[in-house]
Formats: sequence, C-alpha cells, structure tokens
Amino acid sequence: EIVLTQSPATLSLSPGERATLSCRASQSVSSYLAWYQQKPGQAPRLLIYDASERATGIPVRFSGSGSGTDFTLTISSLEPEDFAVYYCQQRSNWPLTFGGGTHVEIK
Amino acid sequence: QVQLVESGGGLVKPGGSLRLSCVASGLTFSVEYMGWIRQAPGKGLEWISYISNSATAIFNADTVKGRFIVSRDNAKNSLYLQMNSLRVEDTAVYYCVRVRGLGPYGHADHWGQGTLVTVSS
Repeated sequence: EIVLTQSPATLSLSPGERATLSCRASQSVSSYLAWYQQKPGQAPRLLIYDASERATGIPVRFSGSGSGTDFTLTISSLEPEDFAVYYCQQRSNWPLTFGGGTHVEIK
Repeated sequence: QVQLVESGGGLVKPGGSLRLSCVASGLTFSVEYMGWIRQAPGKGLEWISYISNSATAIFNADTVKGRFIVSRDNAKNSLYLQMNSLRVEDTAVYYCVRVRGLGPYGHADHWGQGTLVTVSS
C-alpha cells in the first residue's frame, strides 16, 4: 500500500498569505495525484488532479506541482473561504490512498 | 449538473447488515466508473470500493473485503453498497463518488452529500 504523508498537519496563516502544503508518497505515483478541499460538514471537493491540472471551476490561486514522490499544493493568496482541510490522494496503485490531511487555519 | 444522492444509512448493531444506494443524475451513468469513500467521525478519508462502468472490474479495500459488495444498475442510474457483518469500526459517513482519470484507477471528481452509518449495540 502506498502511504501518503502530508505536512504540516496544521498551517496557521492570515488571509492574503501564501499557503504551501506538502504530500510525500512512500513510492512513486508518477503524476497520479489529486488534491481535495473539505470544509466542516461538507463533502470533499476536487481541486487538482494529475498533480497540476485544476478541476472545473477551481480558482487560479490554487496550483499543484510535483511528480514521483513529492508534491505541493500552493494557494497563492488565501481567501477567507480557503480555510479548510486539504487531502492528497494517489491513483497509481490499488488500494487508492489518501494522506492524513493538512488543516489550514486562520492565524 | 452532476448530482449523486445517497440513502440507506442509519443505526445498526454489530454483525448486522445495511444496503446503501446512490442515485445519479446529470451524467451518462452507464459509461461512468464509480466508487464509495468513507470517513469515520473526525478522521480522514478511506477509499473502500471501485467499480467499472460495466461492473467487470471491481476493487475493494482489505478492510471491507469479503463483507461489503459494490454493485450497480445502469438502467436505474444507481450504485449500491451491500454491507454485511458490520463492525463498530465501520461507523462513518459513506460518500458515493464519480471516478475520472485516464490510466490506472481514478480520482473522485463529484461527491454525494454522504450518508451516516453508525454501528453500535
């Protein structure tokens, strides 16, 4: 099973700041990595797929990069609605696995 | 727009059974790969089942293998999850998802609102 490790667990930032979230895979997943956002009481929402492709309707302030084992989700300038939990997910091997999440909280 | 609506959750005793349903609209269900993802209270996400458009390819996580059965009825635009021999640790919100992606497996680009399953005596 491919283990995805997200860091940091919690990121405390202010609106307008840049957020950088990391996801590291225990073995190569090529570019088969997605990022999701989840707000309290809601289902997750797909942000990025295949490491760097923005999903439909996702603002350009969200961007993804990386390949192999190291990936990054960047939010260029945090909006109030961006404070949430973010998960990465690999689709290279079954079982499909998620990282443990990064909570982006208001500082 | 794509809509996925789950139903069938509730309270069940350990060892019991439950069947979840997901009705899809706004898409051509018969060509879509689908899946079930769950989230225990206050915890992260776990992908438990994955089914191809014609149900010829089915994958289940080890945590549910032999107990949960995923199926679909393309004529009814519906996805199902038959859950047997339920355990306390199966307590979670269960999400129905549409799966997309070229190549191996996929990512979940649309999610239902989720249905809560509680296993408790």
